[in-house]
Amino acid sequence: ETGVTQTPRHLVMGMTNKKSLKCEQHLGHNAMYWYKQSAKKPLELMFVYSLEERVENNSVPSRFSPECPNSSHLFLHLHTLQPEDSALYLCASSQVMGGNSPLHFGNGTRLTVT
Amino acid sequence: GESVGLHLPTLSVQEGDNSIINCAYSNSASDYFIWYKQESGKGPQFIIDIRSNMDKRQGQRVTVLLNKTVKHLSLQIAATQPGDSAVYFCAESPLTGGGNKLTFGTGTQLKVEL
Repeated sequence: ETGVTQTPRHLVMGMTNKKSLKCEQHLGHNAMYWYKQSAKKPLELMFVYSLEERVENNSVPSRFSPECPNSSHLFLHLHTLQPEDSALYLCASSQVMGGNSPLHFGNGTRLTVT
Repeated sequence: GESVGLHLPTLSVQEGDNSIINCAYSNSASDYFIWYKQESGKGPQFIIDIRSNMDKRQGQRVTVLLNKTVKHLSLQIAATQPGDSAVYFCAESPLTGGGNKLTFGTGTQLKVEL
């Protein structure tokens, strides 16, 4: 059990669908992150929230829309995705965003866009 | 831009032997380093971290060595077990820190042979 729970574990969606990924952390952390993991590539940071405020958007296309209703929950809303968006989407949290505290990851959502 | 990379994509070791996984970084301002383990179907799991004011840190069966002169980081796993089979990757962040400043490597696949 990682303390960070992501649902669903797998998702297959067409390019015209709208879906949402959910993340919940049970660690009492103040910062939450969305990462994209593609084969043989380093983790790519997408969004960062600190105390429910978005503090970073790493030039992510608008077809990805994050939402952080409280410090324990993070969503990634998806619409009109492209096949190249197929990847493992990882949620992470850390005690604080500033300073050096390690990220704790969930097990990810494996997304396939058809 | 700065990058974090690994020397070998795949490392095979016999069960019971020691494993050494290497990581080179190029950012001279890197101050904080982390090793993660990612098993198949799971998210990255924090193993050990080290600050730049240290050159060695030990955990349970793992040791991280930092050579700032040559910008090299290594993870040593003692008495490697089948459960150690996974992808290992390093990450680094500068002195200013922050979870949003982490740069990840691409990973080394560790295979433990019985």
